[in-house]
Amino acid sequence: EAQVTQNPRYLITVTGKKLTVTCSQNMNHEYMSWYRQDPGLGLRQIYYSMNVEVTDKGDVPEGYKVSRKEKRNFPLILESPSPNQTSLYFCASRNLLGGSSTQYFGPGTRLLVL
Amino acid sequence: AQSVSQHNHHVILSEAASLELGCNYSYGGTVNLFWYVQYPGQHLQLLLKYFSGDPLVKGIKGFEAEFIKSKFSFNLRKPSVQWSDTAEYFCAVNRDDKIIFGKGTRLHILP
Repeated sequence: EAQVTQNPRYLITVTGKKLTVTCSQNMNHEYMSWYRQDPGLGLRQIYYSMNVEVTDKGDVPEGYKVSRKEKRNFPLILESPSPNQTSLYFCASRNLLGGSSTQYFGPGTRLLVL
Repeated sequence: AQSVSQHNHHVILSEAASLELGCNYSYGGTVNLFWYVQYPGQHLQLLLKYFSGDPLVKGIKGFEAEFIKSKFSFNLRKPSVQWSDTAEYFCAVNRDDKIIFGKGTRLHILP
C-alpha cells in the first residue's frame, strides 16, 4: 500500500530536549516536505527536499533541521524544542513532475513542548 | 507577499444546501491549484487539482472547482452537501516547487 508514515504519532517533551520525528514513504517519490498545522494559520511549510541531499527552507524553518540521506526518509529534527513549536506536524511526498503530481500526506505527529 | 486567501473561516450549512468556498491567490504566472480536505482527526486528502486545460475541475465526492485566471480564484463548489462533508478544507497553490496553503475553512453540516 502506498503510504507516508510518521513516528511518533504523539509526543510530549520538555523545552530543550532534542527530538526527531521520522517520515518515510514507499512510493519512490523525489519530493518530500514537512508542514506544521496551527489553528487559524493553516499549513505552513517548514522544509522541503527535491531529492537526496537536496533540502530547502520553506516558510517557517526557524528551530528545525532536516536531512535527506535516503530517498525514502526525511526526518525532522528539533535540536532545542520550545513551547512555540507545539503543533501538529505533517510529512508529505510526491513525484517531482513540475508540480503536477498528487501530494500524499502522512497521518500527522502531534507534538507538545512543555 | 505571495499568499493564498480563504475568505470564509467557518461555514455552517444544512444538509442538501449548496456550497461554495472561496479561494484567491496572489501569484502571477503559471500556478498549480489544489483543494484538500481534512476530516476530524485525519490527515489531508486531495479533493481535486488544476494544472491546465478545462478550468472546471471535477474531484471526488461530488466536489468541483473553477479556475478563473482573471480573478486569481479557484473556488470550491458542491451542489448538495451531506453531513459527512463536515471537515476542514484547504486551498493550496504550487509555484516554484513550494506549496502554499490557505488558512483553511471549517465546514460544519447540520443534519
